[in-house]
Amino acid sequence: QQQVKQSPQSLIVQKGGISIINCAYENTAFDYFPWYQQFPGKGPALLIAIRPDVSEKKEGRFTISFNKSAKQFSLHIMDSQPGDSATYFCAAGRNYGQNFVFGPGTRLSVLP
Amino acid sequence: GAVVSQHPSWVICKSGTSVKIECRSLDFQATTMFWYRQFPKQSLMLMATSNEGSKATYEQGVEKDKFLINHASLTLSTLTVTSAHPEDSSFYICSAGDPNQPQHFGDGTRLSIL
Repeated sequence: QQQVKQSPQSLIVQKGGISIINCAYENTAFDYFPWYQQFPGKGPALLIAIRPDVSEKKEGRFTISFNKSAKQFSLHIMDSQPGDSATYFCAAGRNYGQNFVFGPGTRLSVLP
Repeated sequence: GAVVSQHPSWVICKSGTSVKIECRSLDFQATTMFWYRQFPKQSLMLMATSNEGSKATYEQGVEKDKFLINHASLTLSTLTVTSAHPEDSSFYICSAGDPNQPQHFGDGTRLSIL
């Protein structure tokens, strides 16, 4: 019930392409779904987040798509750049002050 | 935006030493702080959750006497790895949150026990 699945494990995209990472959760009590970006040797940084009352949220080149009935959400990175190369973690939680369950991560490499 | 400062960023010490890691929320009062451990190329593993002024809640399998957590104020939490051994070597990350904003993470502490 607490698990968050994430795919793919690794992803290689050409510069300018679209990177897509998918996540699925089981616990229907979750109502906050953030994405974190982590560079080597650094802590995760909040990238974008969504609540289940909307199906899509866009911030710059980053878009979250959310499918409540399927219990799935995905991150789309448009016009991917080499600087986007990092590990991306999806997460799910009940609200801000409580712990999140993290997916296993996706290592994205954007080729120049 | 909110910033969480973690110190030190890297520590190397001998086996048997106790090591203290500090986590500070710089521009908001963190009612809750979380401590994670991350192995290379793996996800974050929650170790414990601490609320200001109360005892930390440890995840199953995490030794309370090995990993001492103190959350004495709304801006500071500490993790002390007691009598550290090589198997305790890892990347430790804290995060801070409150009911009004999502968790923000520190930059982590790389602990190497010789």
